Amino acid sequence: LAKTTQPISMDSYEGQEVNITCSHNNIATNDYITWYQQFPSQGPRFIIQGYKTKVTNEVASLFIPADRKSSTLSLPRVSLSDTAVYYCLAHPDSNYQLIWGAGTKLIIKP
Amino acid sequence: SQTIHQWPATLVQPVGSPLSLECTVEGTSNPNLYWYRQAAGRGLQLLFYSVGIGQISSEVPQNLSASRPQDRQFILSSKKLLLSDSGFYLCAWSDTLEEKLFFGSGTQLSVL
Repeated sequence: LAKTTQPISMDSYEGQEVNITCSHNNIATNDYITWYQQFPSQGPRFIIQGYKTKVTNEVASLFIPADRKSSTLSLPRVSLSDTAVYYCLAHPDSNYQLIWGAGTKLIIKP
Repeated sequence: SQTIHQWPATLVQPVGSPLSLECTVEGTSNPNLYWYRQAAGRGLQLLFYSVGIGQISSEVPQNLSASRPQDRQFILSSKKLLLSDSGFYLCAWSDTLEEKLFFGSGTQLSVL
């Protein structure tokens, strides 16, 4: 199962674009990349999922280069409410095989 | 729309006491259900998952057990709590094992 590496913490300011990069060097051919967001004392919330190239939804974009050894979550024009922990997971197509790291604690400042 | 209910939000229990956490899902049928535990500042650890009534898969051998008496009800139990059982417990559901997870609001358990 692919292990992911992401920064422990990041700071940014309101209105900025934030990019969080995740490394998954041993990602398998059939692994997907999924990002979740977690606020304190709440359960994680699904943000976005992709397999290759670029995926965009109303919340974020996910960029995956051709070698798939890394991926970048992009949050456009962040606000204070985007302060949370963001988890990157690289996993086969089955929830019971998810490996959750400590995530990236993103702090947005005014 | 689908909703997931998990209670209580916080719980303080003495060592050696029993535990029962309940999770229910509304608005969907035959969901896949999961129990996770999260230590402070750490990622989530999958404890149990269930693909149907009475079907429980355990991922980590421990002092806990799970049951699914009804289609949309998932219960986490212990006969005798240990200090190491303290943590943030999360219930989740998904349509299939391949679909995204939807989490409850969690239970913060402190065993003293």
